[in-house]
Amino acid sequence: GQSLEQPSEVTAVEGAIVQINCTYQTSGFYGLSWYQQHDGGAPTFLSYNALDGLEETGRFSSFLSRSDSYGYLLLQELQMKDSASYFCALTGGYQKVTFGTGTKLQVIP
Amino acid sequence: EAQVTQNPRYLITVTGKKLTVTCSQNMNHEYMSWYRQDPGLGLRQIYYSMNVEVTDKGDVPEGYKVSRKEKRNFPLILESPSPNQTSLYFCASSSPREQYFGPGTRLTVT
Repeated sequence: GQSLEQPSEVTAVEGAIVQINCTYQTSGFYGLSWYQQHDGGAPTFLSYNALDGLEETGRFSSFLSRSDSYGYLLLQELQMKDSASYFCALTGGYQKVTFGTGTKLQVIP
Repeated sequence: EAQVTQNPRYLITVTGKKLTVTCSQNMNHEYMSWYRQDPGLGLRQIYYSMNVEVTDKGDVPEGYKVSRKEKRNFPLILESPSPNQTSLYFCASSSPREQYFGPGTRLTVT
C-alpha cells in the first residue's frame, strides 16, 4: 500500500515563508499532489508534481524528489487567509489516490 | 462553470435505514471517487470509478456500495448504515492532474 506522513501542525508569521514536508512510502505512483482545505470547506487543488523538481504557481511552490521519497509545499508571503489544512496525496494507477493526514497551518499576525 | 454537486449536504439517519448520497459532475471526467474524512485520519478513499460500469474498492469500502451507470453520476449507497459511518463524505471528479471535490455531505447515523 501507500502511506504519507506530514507534520500535524505548523505555525508561521504573516508575510513569512513556510515549508510543509511530506514523506511517503509506495511501490509506485504517477504524481504527488497538494490540496488546501479551509475549515468547513472542501479540499481544493494547489499543485501536482509528476516529475522531480520544483513547480511554481504564484505564491505556492511544490517540490518532489522520488529518490528521497519526499516532497514539500512552500508558501511565500503568507497571508491570514492561508490558515487552513494542507494535504499531500499520491496518485497511483487508475486514479487511486492516497492522502496524508494533513497539516494544519496557523498564520499569526 | 466546472462543478461537482452532492446531495444532501446534511443527513441525520438511524441505524439500518438505507440511504443514497448523490454526486454529479459536469466536466465529462471519466474518473470519479468517494472519500470519507474523519478527524485525525485525513481523507480516505472509499470507492473509485474509471468509467461507466467500471468501479473498484478504495481503502475503506466496507459497508458501502457505488454504481456508475452514467458518466456524470456516481452515487454512494449505504444499505444498512451504522454509527461508525458517521463522517464527512466528499465526492470528487478527476482530470489526470487534479481532483475537483464536491461540497461535502455530513452524515450522522444514530
